[in-house]
Amino acid sequence: AQSVTQLDSHVSVSEGTPVLLRCNYSSSYSPSLFWYVQHPNKGLQLLLKYTSAATLVKGINGFEAEFKKSETSFHLTKPSAHMSDAAEYFCVVSQTYSGTYKYIFGTGTRLKVLA
Amino acid sequence: DVKVTQSSRYLVKRTGEKVFLECVQDMDHENMFWYRQDPGLGLRLIYFSYDVKMKEKGDIPEGYSVSREKKERFSLILESASTNQTSMYLCASSLAVQETQYFGPGTRLLVL
Repeated sequence: AQSVTQLDSHVSVSEGTPVLLRCNYSSSYSPSLFWYVQHPNKGLQLLLKYTSAATLVKGINGFEAEFKKSETSFHLTKPSAHMSDAAEYFCVVSQTYSGTYKYIFGTGTRLKVLA
Repeated sequence: DVKVTQSSRYLVKRTGEKVFLECVQDMDHENMFWYRQDPGLGLRLIYFSYDVKMKEKGDIPEGYSVSREKKERFSLILESASTNQTSMYLCASSLAVQETQYFGPGTRLLVL
């Protein structure tokens, strides 16, 4: 069965310091993996996605994520946090097999950026 | 840019009322989705549609129904609203089922 675990429900960083949001997944087949961001009172916006090409994926706003099959992880990173990065982040695994669609969301990580 | 719009940002309804949530996308996407979002639970799929008049149950379809009469429009219907349906409802669309989903701004529904 597929699942997604976001290891931290809340992360606080100081402005200008690195960001690490952790995501582990469980999947029987080669998945597609996504990170979405949700700013307060807004819908979700795609940050980046992995679809079995390069394992290091670059996204918008300086974010990137590395697909590590051996660790079943897809952690999101950014070298230097900005105040505007404060939001909730969702890791998603997507897979179709046997005619069944599955798009599984993690429970989210709320990022707080301190001045 | 893909644009997904939802008919209301905020709604207040009474228990037992029939509630309609409307979603429209402008990119000719085949697939449309309805989710509800609750704190600590992430997003949970209610229903999705892969074509006009076609629908599939998601993980939590009980108490909901959907309608897709036109490709661009996907409606979520609460037949008889209950307080446990108070939530944020998000609509999304995608070109292919397993690909990037584009989300609307959400409708925050309060059932009293």
